[in-house]
Amino acid sequence: NAGVTQTPKFQVLKTGQSMTLQCAQDMNHNSMYWYRQDPGMGLRLIYYSASEGTTDKGEVPNGYNVSRLNKREFSLRLESAAPSQTSVYFCASGETGDQPQHFGDGTRLSIL
Amino acid sequence: DQQVKQNSPSLSVQEGRISILNCDYTNSMFDYFLWYKKYPAEGPTFLISISSIKDKNEDGRFTVFLNKSAKHLSLHIVPSQPGDSAVYFCAARDMEYGNKLVFGAGTILRVKS
Repeated sequence: NAGVTQTPKFQVLKTGQSMTLQCAQDMNHNSMYWYRQDPGMGLRLIYYSASEGTTDKGEVPNGYNVSRLNKREFSLRLESAAPSQTSVYFCASGETGDQPQHFGDGTRLSIL
Repeated sequence: DQQVKQNSPSLSVQEGRISILNCDYTNSMFDYFLWYKKYPAEGPTFLISISSIKDKNEDGRFTVFLNKSAKHLSLHIVPSQPGDSAVYFCAARDMEYGNKLVFGAGTILRVKS
């Protein structure tokens, strides 16, 4: 069972480069989320999509854009990468109600 | 301002004993609470949850307790096993914002054999 799949797993970028992180889920969930995790901090929500065709900002959206391509796929784009965006990025999906979100294994992104 | 706080960065427990991980929150609009477990180089894995209408939920070795008046929840693991060594995140859902979760900073649990 694949669950939530993120690509790539690792990436190194130079400052100013652009990059799209991909996420796909096979659980038929309506909602999808992008988080970042930094040392000593919990996961912080960047953007989310409550349903296909909608996206909303989370806690830390600056410097990012998202696209909900279809029900399965939710991508995160860095238009001009900055060293402050060095982090581990997690994608998650879930349903409404008292249901947990399910996470992918993350993309480890380093920006030099 | 951290709305979900895990004040213990780490906890070390002997195998077979009880592990108690704590979490405090400030937002009274939180209505659903979850614990996730995370191993290195993997994503968080859902462990157990509790609705705000309950004060206890149990699943095998894992029990979550919720004290709404104190805005405090805890995760009990009995008995602790070496495979439980991981980072544990507490998370809370804000009922004003659908299924958005707010996470604590995590507690590293080490179970010694």
